[in-house]
Amino acid sequence: SAVISQKPSRDICQRGTSLTIQCQVDSQVTMMFWYRQQPGQSLTLIATANQGSEATYESGFVIDKFPISRPNLTFSTLTVSNMSPEDSSIYLCSVEEAYMNTEAFFGQGTRLTVV
Amino acid sequence: KNQVEQSPQSLIILEGKNCTLQCNYTVSPFSNLRWYKQDTGRGPVSLTIMTFSENTKSNGRYTATLDADTKQSSLHITASQLSDSASYICVVSAPDNTDKLIFGTGTRLQVFP
Repeated sequence: SAVISQKPSRDICQRGTSLTIQCQVDSQVTMMFWYRQQPGQSLTLIATANQGSEATYESGFVIDKFPISRPNLTFSTLTVSNMSPEDSSIYLCSVEEAYMNTEAFFGQGTRLTVV
Repeated sequence: KNQVEQSPQSLIILEGKNCTLQCNYTVSPFSNLRWYKQDTGRGPVSLTIMTFSENTKSNGRYTATLDADTKQSSLHITASQLSDSASYICVVSAPDNTDKLIFGTGTRLQVFP
């Protein structure tokens, strides 16, 4: 299994500002995933973060808006830039490795409210 | 388009009762189908994982079934407890899409005493 620490757990931010969310894993993993979960919706993959390379973004998400860092095999950050109220959502990081029996483990999420 | 649809959208039951949640998917082929429990304010936690060759898998009071022919899965909760109140999410892993996870919208279960 994997234990994921994600912070902050929640924040209220002014529009136009940026927030960086941190995700720390207790074991080394190849890929880390960042998701967004809007109210009442399912999880949507934002991007996949590989250590040592650029993150891979899904359709509808761009690096300028959601820059990601992956400095090592246990840590990643997601920044929500130039925020607007539409960015209010829960953001989750996740890891999945073959040695984890293909289970995906999730952080507790960051509840972001933009005012 | 690969989709995962769940029903009902929400469900209220009394403590001690059983319930069954449904999941229909169009993802084909798929690597595995998973059920997750998501408590309010928390990340999803895995309940069961089934490959296409498995028909049923249990985890305590949770039993998942899978019919790969009809592309349906169900999650049965036995003798519900107040702590079962959560969202239950059906997730399909698609191998032709680098094992990307496709999430259902979830069923919101509320268990009342």
